[in-house]
Amino acid sequence: GAGVSQSPSNKVTEKGKDVELRCDPISGHTALYWYRQSLGQGLEFLIYFQGNSAPDKSGLPSDRFSAERTGGSVSTLTIQRTQQEDSAVYLCASSSAFNTQYFGPGTRLTVL
Amino acid sequence: AQSVTQPDIHITVSEGASLELRCNYSYGATPYLFWYVQSPGQGLQLLLKYFSGDTLVQGIKGFEAEFKRSQSSFNLRKPSVHWSDAAEYFCAVGRGGSQGNLIFGKGTKLSVKP
Repeated sequence: GAGVSQSPSNKVTEKGKDVELRCDPISGHTALYWYRQSLGQGLEFLIYFQGNSAPDKSGLPSDRFSAERTGGSVSTLTIQRTQQEDSAVYLCASSSAFNTQYFGPGTRLTVL
Repeated sequence: AQSVTQPDIHITVSEGASLELRCNYSYGATPYLFWYVQSPGQGLQLLLKYFSGDTLVQGIKGFEAEFKRSQSSFNLRKPSVHWSDAAEYFCAVGRGGSQGNLIFGKGTKLSVKP
């Protein structure tokens, strides 16, 4: 079946602009996660959605970052007023059971 | 706090040689453990996982890992490495057991010599 998809695959933006990154999880998966991968910091957890529960936002680095998940499926990660340190690969994952997470190909964000 | 340590940043092995990638974790309860592989420019692919039961788990591409509670380790092994195995390998522990985010090690980059 279809895996996790993310769009766009690459995004170049100017400092101070807002960006939206999209994630389509595997159909039927109740949990959705966002991570950030950068050279200096490795793989960092950002936010986690589980069913209809309130999301776990404990990994968001600042209030410029937010995410929503509509209808228990598609998720959008929004970064406002982007900074150069936001440049990274943003990975989305989804899971159905036992925390086995399947990852999408990622969105490479470059902030000029 | 939970953490994962991969002591080797970069390993080079010859094609056909055996491989062992080390992973140590810190977790209060029985951990959910994972190994992922990432090829350049690609997302993370799940190699194998451990939840409970048999401490030797088999994964895809001929990989296996052994959970050793006494050593807090979950080392990844392969008896004979292929050139296509060159990639970065990440060990992870599931925070909160069966749910919650994964905590990743810093990764081990594997190079394969012909």
